Amino acid sequence: AQKVTQAQTEISVVEKEDVTLDCVYETRDTTYYLFWYKQPPSGELVFLIRRNSFDEQNEISGRYSWNFQKSTSSFNFTITASQVVDSAVYFCALSEAGGGGSQGNLIFGKGTKLSVKP
Amino acid sequence: NAGVTQTPKFQVLKTGQSMTLQCAQDMNHEYMSWYRQDPGMGLRLIHYSVGAGITDQGEVPNGYNVSRSTTEDFPLRLLSAAPSQTSVYFCASSYRTQTGELFFGEGSRLTVL
Repeated sequence: AQKVTQAQTEISVVEKEDVTLDCVYETRDTTYYLFWYKQPPSGELVFLIRRNSFDEQNEISGRYSWNFQKSTSSFNFTITASQVVDSAVYFCALSEAGGGGSQGNLIFGKGTKLSVKP
Repeated sequence: NAGVTQTPKFQVLKTGQSMTLQCAQDMNHEYMSWYRQDPGMGLRLIHYSVGAGITDQGEVPNGYNVSRSTTEDFPLRLLSAAPSQTSVYFCASSYRTQTGELFFGEGSRLTVL
């Protein structure tokens, strides 16, 4: 069965600090997809990144970077030089591509609430 | 540029009442789903559909019904609301299931008294 664990419930940092949000996943499939979503205080869910299981290259997008390590089943998210606007709940999610009727459904972690203080 | 539209955004019900949360998307997406979000629980899948006429249960389907008569619409029905169904509900769609990103509606906050 698939599972996503975000062990950090809440993190508080001061602006300009770097912060890493952890995500550990469980799956029996060899083909799967990992996602990060952001939910700002306004409540909408914003897609940040998708990664497939065959691409272990780290990705950087501006101040955001993602570290995918299959050996540890982790897909961690780092914000460099955090800003107040980064304050949000961040969700990691997993989708399996294997056979069966439920493939493709996103399973979410419980989220990490990040507070960035000025 | 509508994307995924959910209505209503807010609703208060009494225990035992029924209601329908509407969801429509204009992106011709085959896959649609409903999630509920509760504090500390993340998002949990209620029902999903991989195309018109096809629906299936997710992780927490009890107390909810869905139908998918068209590609565009995927309503979620509460037949007899219970306080445990107080939550924020999100509808989502994607072009493909596992390969595509989910596009979410803005959410519907439901309170059952």
